[in-house]
Amino acid sequence: DAGVTQSPTHLIKTRGQQVTLRCSPKSGHDTVSWYQQALGQGPQFIFQYYEEEERQRGNFPDRFSGHQYPNYSSELNVNALLLGDSALYLCASSLIPLITQETQYFGPGTRLLVL
Amino acid sequence: GIQVEQSPPDLILQEGANSTLRCNFSDSVNNLQWFHQNPWGQLINLFYIPSGTKQNGRLSATTVATERYSLLYISSSQTTDSGVYFCAVRDSGGGADGLTFGKGTHLIIQP
Repeated sequence: DAGVTQSPTHLIKTRGQQVTLRCSPKSGHDTVSWYQQALGQGPQFIFQYYEEEERQRGNFPDRFSGHQYPNYSSELNVNALLLGDSALYLCASSLIPLITQETQYFGPGTRLLVL
Repeated sequence: GIQVEQSPPDLILQEGANSTLRCNFSDSVNNLQWFHQNPWGQLINLFYIPSGTKQNGRLSATTVATERYSLLYISSSQTTDSGVYFCAVRDSGGGADGLTFGKGTHLIIQP
């Protein structure tokens, strides 16, 4: 049973550039959530995708956008990168019909460094 | 939004010791999960426990939803238990669908 996968594992960008991170959910899951984890902090919710639409968003600016494909995989795009965007980006998958008993499973993350 | 506080922030124990990690949350929840984050950043699911008690080997967890806290117990600690333990919740009041995490408890088990 394939778990949540993310690519790339590491990425270095410079300020002002754009980045795309990718996520494939756990087999059988239809919902993908993205989180940002700064050093020494807990993960923070960015947004969630279900049926190819953004369901809800946390407290992140519009520079953060996403997409979900028909096969449930997802992308996180960040435009106009800032130094403060340096973080571990985590993808989590879950199954929406079980929302009252929903367990989110996390991928290994992508470490983004903005110079 | 909902607030999550974890204590203690740091804990250093000898191998074989027992420990109790606490998670307090500020509002009613419909989802509470405990995770272990290993040194490579992978979040490993330990328990889905919005209420009640569960056990899995040396680990157990209890959530008292009416009093808005959860406890994670680790017995007979091993060095491989080292890492950061996170509690994460979702507000049942219709807030964001994502999980709100605490700042974690950094556990170090010394041989």
